[in-house]
Amino acid sequence: RKEVEQDPGPFNVPEGATVAFNCTYSNSASQSFFWYRQDCRKEPKLLMSVYSSGNEDGRFTAQLNRASQYISLLIRDSKLSDSATYLCAVFSGANNLFFGTGTRLTVIP
Amino acid sequence: GAGVSQTPSNKVTEKGKYVELRCDPISGHTALYWYRQSLGQGPEFLIYFQGTGAADDSGLPNDRFFAVRPEGSVSTLKIQRTERGDSAVYLCASSLWGRETQYFGPGTRLLVL
Repeated sequence: RKEVEQDPGPFNVPEGATVAFNCTYSNSASQSFFWYRQDCRKEPKLLMSVYSSGNEDGRFTAQLNRASQYISLLIRDSKLSDSATYLCAVFSGANNLFFGTGTRLTVIP
Repeated sequence: GAGVSQTPSNKVTEKGKYVELRCDPISGHTALYWYRQSLGQGPEFLIYFQGTGAADDSGLPNDRFFAVRPEGSVSTLKIQRTERGDSAVYLCASSLWGRETQYFGPGTRLLVL
């Protein structure tokens, strides 16, 4: 079983839509969680860290559910510029981040 | 300030050749990571340095891969006897002291013909 599993999509949504991505992790001792955004042929860039209480940054909301071992990312009022691949990442007691395969989002005019 | 830089940005080589990929982390970051990303996949961990020492090299796929960070700053990933399967984007990331937010460089796109 992979450390982190993520639906690869693609998700194609109209502008203004709300879209949600989930990511499950296998190690219940995992301690830190992140969402990264990756544009085509670019490096991953941190979108937001995910805290136990949930956190929001503008149109983006991240949630952590430890009981079910998943993290989620909600994007409200999607913009064309949100089109990218969204990677979840988890520190699982090791010294490195485990990444999901990424979920590709395309926002359509 | 300056982010993580990597050189070269692209490298084309022939099967069996030796390549070196360089990473210059954010100044003051003690933790440095190498990842490899294949098409359609997320980054996959290769090796982690804390200062000058390789604290975790469990992700290196075989003994053809080796990395150094002799002065605790710049790191070089070395691949011997390259194979076509080594073709990927090699990403470097750094963080202040480890186990928190990692900042990625632009990557080196390696193509082995």
